[in-house]
Amino acid sequence: EPEVTQTPSHQVTQMGQEVILRCVPISNHLYFYWYRQILGQKVEFLVSFYNNEISEKSEIFDDQFSVERPDGSNFTLKIRSTKLEDSAMYFCASSWDRRDTQYFGPGTRLTVL
Amino acid sequence: RKEVEQDPGPFNVPEGATVAFNCTYSNSASQSFFWYRQDCRKEPKLLMSVYSSGNEDGRFTAQLNRASQYISLLIRDSKLSDSATYLCVVNRGGADGLTFGKGTHLIIQP
Repeated sequence: EPEVTQTPSHQVTQMGQEVILRCVPISNHLYFYWYRQILGQKVEFLVSFYNNEISEKSEIFDDQFSVERPDGSNFTLKIRSTKLEDSAMYFCASSWDRRDTQYFGPGTRLTVL
Repeated sequence: RKEVEQDPGPFNVPEGATVAFNCTYSNSASQSFFWYRQDCRKEPKLLMSVYSSGNEDGRFTAQLNRASQYISLLIRDSKLSDSATYLCVVNRGGADGLTFGKGTHLIIQP
């Protein structure tokens, strides 16, 4: 069964550094998403991406964040100048259509020290 | 008011029992409704979509009441493997992003 994959599984970084989280969505899916989940909190939508551009973004997704699809398979989330409060699980998801089921990857645990 | 509200639990239920969770949502423009399951430190996984007419998948039954903006999940003959956090999820009409509740923690006891 096709699945979304994410690397790395755990990323530790120093405050102020930049990190890039990587995702490989399901191959025939057209919509890609990033969500985050701070420990003990709910899953929160960050951004959606379709046709090589941002389709929708939440208030959380400010200038510190950017997304890119650098090639035909990868989808990345870049976080510039990381803060302690960026520590969270970051989940990538993909779907065939915006109304279709979103399938989540296993997540990247980001720890900012 | 929170967009999606759930009783966080935990619900401690003996194996074989029936358990029900409820969820309310605040945005009347919500169009799609789901229950996801999340195991500790894992990704959310779709359990089932929720349709207006109600739907059943094996031991799981979901109901939607649009007038009351209320969603329910019923689990019959609960198994130890049902222990998890159950996330109520809605999708606002026209939006890409899903809105999650904080989840209800279920513990099935032998």
